[in-house]
Amino acid sequence: DAEITQSPRHKITETGRQVTLACHQTWNHNNMFWYRQDLGHGLRLIHYSYGVQDTNKGEVSDGYSVSRSNTEDLPLTLESAASSQTSVYFCASSDPRDTQYFGPGTRLTVL
Amino acid sequence: KNQVEQSPQSLIILEGKNCTLQCNYTVSPFSNLRWYKQDTGRGPVSLTIMTFSENTKSNGRYTATLDADTKQSSLHITASQLSDSASYICVVTKGGNTPLVFGKGTRLSVIA
Repeated sequence: DAEITQSPRHKITETGRQVTLACHQTWNHNNMFWYRQDLGHGLRLIHYSYGVQDTNKGEVSDGYSVSRSNTEDLPLTLESAASSQTSVYFCASSDPRDTQYFGPGTRLTVL
Repeated sequence: KNQVEQSPQSLIILEGKNCTLQCNYTVSPFSNLRWYKQDTGRGPVSLTIMTFSENTKSNGRYTATLDADTKQSSLHITASQLSDSASYICVVTKGGNTPLVFGKGTRLSVIA
């Protein structure tokens, strides 16, 4: 069955370190998204991609970057992790009807 | 400004009772509206999708309504079960490959 996976599921890192969160989908969807979810804010869009080599900034993109070298993967990189980036991160891909399929999430703690 | 507002923020109901969650949006243009269910520790899962011309859409014990004129939607849960305990998120699409607009969700707790 097609699916979307994220790794790691849990990550603890230190301030200033570079961190990369992986996202892999097997639906062959062109559109992929990264969100962060914090209490009181709901889901907020970090970056998104509508196809290979395409990347776009969302509403909370500062301090994050993505790259899209193939259809299946959209890794999210925190260039220099900050405590404010402690959050739960969700990756999603969407079908042609814009229904988004979310991964299980990565809980990131920055100490 | 494109916004989706949900109410209440949280709700506690007894098992077997019905409840209704509300969603008001100011998103324009409007393409469709979805309700997602998010269990604790998991990613959201789509429950229903409604376009401009649809007033009601059901998925088992979940029934969503849409009034595109007043820009309001509701999600009605019938005969609630403990497994309905989750956050319910209202999401509006503008269409044309633009990012979705998310509400902050309603946290529902069903107790025995």
